[in-house]
Amino acid sequence: EAQVTQNPRYLITVTGKKLTVTCSQNMNHEYMSWYRQDPGLGLRQIYYSMNVEVTDKGDVPEGYKVSRKEKRNFPLILESPSPNQTSLYFCASSPGTGQPSTDTQYFGPGTRLTVL
Amino acid sequence: RKEVEQDPGPFNVPEGATVAFNCTYSNSASQSFFWYRQDCRKEPKLLMSVYSSGNEDGRFTAQLNRASQYISLLIRDSKLSDSATYLCVVNEFRGFQKLVFGTGTRLLVSP
Repeated sequence: EAQVTQNPRYLITVTGKKLTVTCSQNMNHEYMSWYRQDPGLGLRQIYYSMNVEVTDKGDVPEGYKVSRKEKRNFPLILESPSPNQTSLYFCASSPGTGQPSTDTQYFGPGTRLTVL
Repeated sequence: RKEVEQDPGPFNVPEGATVAFNCTYSNSASQSFFWYRQDCRKEPKLLMSVYSSGNEDGRFTAQLNRASQYISLLIRDSKLSDSATYLCVVNEFRGFQKLVFGTGTRLLVSP
């Protein structure tokens, strides 16, 4: 089954304790992205990757890191989490066809993170 | 001004009703447009793309007006299962997909 998976789905942690949220897709997609969703703000892009070893900042990258060592995986790293990073996080991937009307994104199930 | 604006709702409608959502976007260079559906605390899922000519998928009709920078979604014969949040999404496409999301319009369909 074609899908985007994220782990963990739920995480409660404390300020300053490094954590990683994994994201994996089995569709051989070129493009992957991380979003956070907060009430009243919609989804905002954190980082994206157009291909292996190619990553770039989105709209809200502060406090996050990513890596893309393999095509299928795109982990999100919080080196020193803070309470304002409490949010619902989504990973997404798309084929990267270069055709705006067909290059739609598929989302993972989400990770609910609480930083105390 | 938000890049993509939607009425947050909620829209409360009875089963069988017709309901319409609107969305405006600020970037006139936007390339493509979508409606996504999001159930409570779950991932957004693509409902339909939106084309200038308008397009229909069963009970759902989407329309784009580039001159007014306006997108609409019409749902006919509402079902209980249509209850969800509908996200208006604009692709600013800068050589790669750059999606900008509205905050969503919540729909509640009641028996």
